[in-house]
Amino acid sequence: GAVVSQHPSRVICKSGTSVKIECRSLDFQATTMFWYRQFPKQSLMLMATSNEGSKATYEQGVEKDKFLINHASLTLSTLTVTSAHPEDSSFYICSAMGGYTFGSGTRLTVV
Amino acid sequence: KQEVTQIPAALSVPEGENLVLNCSFTDSAIYNLQWFRQDPGKGLTSLLLIQSSQREQTSGRLNASLDKSSGRSTLYIAASQPGDSATYLCAVLSSGYALNFGKGTSLLVTP
Repeated sequence: GAVVSQHPSRVICKSGTSVKIECRSLDFQATTMFWYRQFPKQSLMLMATSNEGSKATYEQGVEKDKFLINHASLTLSTLTVTSAHPEDSSFYICSAMGGYTFGSGTRLTVV
Repeated sequence: KQEVTQIPAALSVPEGENLVLNCSFTDSAIYNLQWFRQDPGKGLTSLLLIQSSQREQTSGRLNASLDKSSGRSTLYIAASQPGDSATYLCAVLSSGYALNFGKGTSLLVTP
């Protein structure tokens, strides 16, 4: 079946640094990747939609200059949290194939 | 905009009980509805997917129903076990091919 590999699963970084999260489709080509985040005791909220070879589409309220998305190939989409702050601490997860397959998620803690 | 609501937010039951989790959505124009399981700090496990043309799906002790016209779905868990303890998320796929999630029901099954 379709598998999305997401790394890292857990990362702790200092405030002001940048963190890159990768999602790779292992056995299929993902033309579209959805990025979600989940704050404690909240639902998963869509952050952005990335399309291979074009600019990502960001949801309202998501800073595109802070959350950089790159989808340069059909098997790799990356989310970079730039100048991370404690309020960016969250669970980030990617999804492909219209929600039929998810990465395992990344727990980001900014200290 | 699609809104997904899950009731109850939390539920604690003794082992062996049958239980029902509820999900409602505001826009009936959906492609499908999924129920997921999320363990603490982990990714998502898809439990059941119901297409918009279907009324229910079953997998083992789980049964999910869908009433699209009224915007409701239920997840029935039979003979609950401590291993069923987790957060259960309901998500609908409508326009845009990104999932809209509810906030989840946190289930605790006590031995």
